[in-house]
Amino acid sequence: DVKVTQSSRYLVKRTGEKVFLECVQDMDHENMFWYRQDPGLGLRLIYFSYDVKMKEKGDIPEGYSVSREKKERFSLILESASTNQTSMYLCASSSTTWRSPLHFGNGTRLTVT
Amino acid sequence: AQKITQTQPGMFVQEKEAVTLDCTYDTSDPSYGLFWYKQPSSGEMIFLIYQGSYDQQNATEGRYSLNFQKARKSANLVISASQLGDSAMYFCAMREGLNDYKLSFGAGTTVTVRA
Repeated sequence: DVKVTQSSRYLVKRTGEKVFLECVQDMDHENMFWYRQDPGLGLRLIYFSYDVKMKEKGDIPEGYSVSREKKERFSLILESASTNQTSMYLCASSSTTWRSPLHFGNGTRLTVT
Repeated sequence: AQKITQTQPGMFVQEKEAVTLDCTYDTSDPSYGLFWYKQPSSGEMIFLIYQGSYDQQNATEGRYSLNFQKARKSANLVISASQLGDSAMYFCAMREGLNDYKLSFGAGTTVTVRA
């Protein structure tokens, strides 16, 4: 069974802090994704990666960066947290079989005060 | 433009009845896939069912079936014999193009099953 693990379930940070959200998957998946989920907006793609060292901007990359130094780990970085980044963050991974779904972690609820 | 539209923010359904969740999509790519996910109050995202644009038959997985109408660009999820455990948020999502793996999601529909 695919397991995607996000390092924190809840985080509270102050405005201006640098925030790291970590995600690890154990199924040797090539593809990894970061989404944020807000009520009424569904899930919106922040960044994704199809290979180690590779990253691509999603629909809402402003204020975020990512790092993928190892295949199993994909980190989301908030360089200077702001209150409008308070949200649920979901990491996902998938294989390169086109019909395969995304497998999600349990999410990190980030509150920026 | 919104790629996935779910027009029903919330729905109520009686236990043991069927419920249909609407999803329309917008793409010009002939190769695409449609996915449905369930998100209970615990927050986990559970994959339910997949329909490919070239699939000849509507997808079914247990109590879940997909009413795929390609010409109308709709992929409605049908849950038969609703159970209390079906109460959750449901998301429709789309993957476009054969070399792209990311999903675009709709806003979701909250389903509440009444006893």
